[in-house]
This record gives sequence, C-alpha cells and structure tokens, in this order.
Amino acid sequence: DVKVTQSSRYLVKRTGEKVFLECVQDMDHENMFWYRQDPGLGLRLIYFSYDVKMKEKGDIPEGYSVSREKKERFSLILESASTNQTSMYLCASSSDFSGSSYNEQFFGPGTRLTVL
Amino acid sequence: AQTVTQSQPEMSVQEAETVTLSCTYDTSESDYYLFWYKQPPSRQMILVIRQEAYKQQNATENRFSVNFQKAAKSFSLKISDSQLGDAAMYFCAFYYNNNDMRFGAGTRLTVKP
Repeated sequence: DVKVTQSSRYLVKRTGEKVFLECVQDMDHENMFWYRQDPGLGLRLIYFSYDVKMKEKGDIPEGYSVSREKKERFSLILESASTNQTSMYLCASSSDFSGSSYNEQFFGPGTRLTVL
Repeated sequence: AQTVTQSQPEMSVQEAETVTLSCTYDTSESDYYLFWYKQPPSRQMILVIRQEAYKQQNATENRFSVNFQKAAKSFSLKISDSQLGDAAMYFCAFYYNNNDMRFGAGTRLTVKP
C-alpha cells in the first residue's frame, strides 16, 4: 500500500515563526502536492512538484515555499507564519505511469496548524 | 478554468438506506477524470471511486456507484446500504492534466443508527 506520512498531526506556532511541514511517500511517486483544507472551501492547491528540485505554484502560493531535494520528500515552508495560515495542510502524491491508479492522489493524514 | 460544485454541505442517511451526493463541474474539455474521495473524521483521505470521461458506463465499487452525466456535467455518488463507517466528508474532484486536480467544497455525511 502507498504510504504518505506527514511529520506532525498537530502543530501550534506563533506569528512570525518559520514553520516546516514535512511529507514523505514510499511509493516512488513522481508527483507530490501540498493542499490547504478549510471549511467550505474544500482543498486548495498551494504547490506541487513533478520531479526532484522542480516545483510549480498552485492557486494559493503566497506566503509559502516548498523544497524537494529527494524524490520521496516534499517540504512546505511558511517563511513567517501568520494567523490566516491557521488551517489543515494535506500532502499527496501520485504516479505518472498509466494503470489502475493513474492520476489518483494518495493523501497523508494531514497537519492541523494553529498560528497564534 | 475547471470548477467543481458540491451543493450539499451536509447530508444525513439512516443506516441501511441509500443516499446520493451531488456534484457538478464546469469544463470545456472532453477527456478528463472524475473522483470521489472520502475523509473520515481524523483519518486519511482515501479514494472511493473514479470515472474516466471517455467511458459511458458508470463506475461501481461494491456499495458505491456513480451517475455520470457528461452532457449535464454531473457526477453524483450513490451509497447503498449505508453503514456507520460511511460517515465522513466526501469530496468530488476533477482532473484534466498537468497534475491539476480540482476539488469541491465537500459534503459531510452523517449516518444515523
């Protein structure tokens, strides 16, 4: 089974702190994603990466950056956390190769971040 | 741009009954994929069912089935014989290309014993 893990389930940070959210997948997937989930808004894409050291902006990249130094790991960075970044953050991965799971995204358990 | 609309923020169903969750989408493309994902309380989001737009036959997975109406751009999920474990947030999603997956706002399903 595909496993996507995230470094923390719950995180509390102060305004202005630098925050790192880590995501690791063990299925050798090419693509990795960071979403933000808010009530009534569904999932919104922050950034995605289709290869090591490659990244693309999603719909809401402002205030965030990402890093992908290894294929299995994709980090989301909040350079200076603000209260409006309090949210649930979901990481996902997917494969480029055709097959029954083509295009399916596999999700991590999520990190609930609170910025005070 | 592709958009996905789930017009039912909350739904409830009696155990063993059938419930249908609605989803509509907007696209000018003809070849795409549609998904229903389930997010149980405090648990990981998992894929429930997928539909390729080029397939006319509606997808089914055990108690879960879809009603895919391509011309109407509608993709509803039917859950038969509802179980307590079906209680979750359900998200409809649209995929076209370039890793661009669009999600609806979600429908929270409650199952009453």
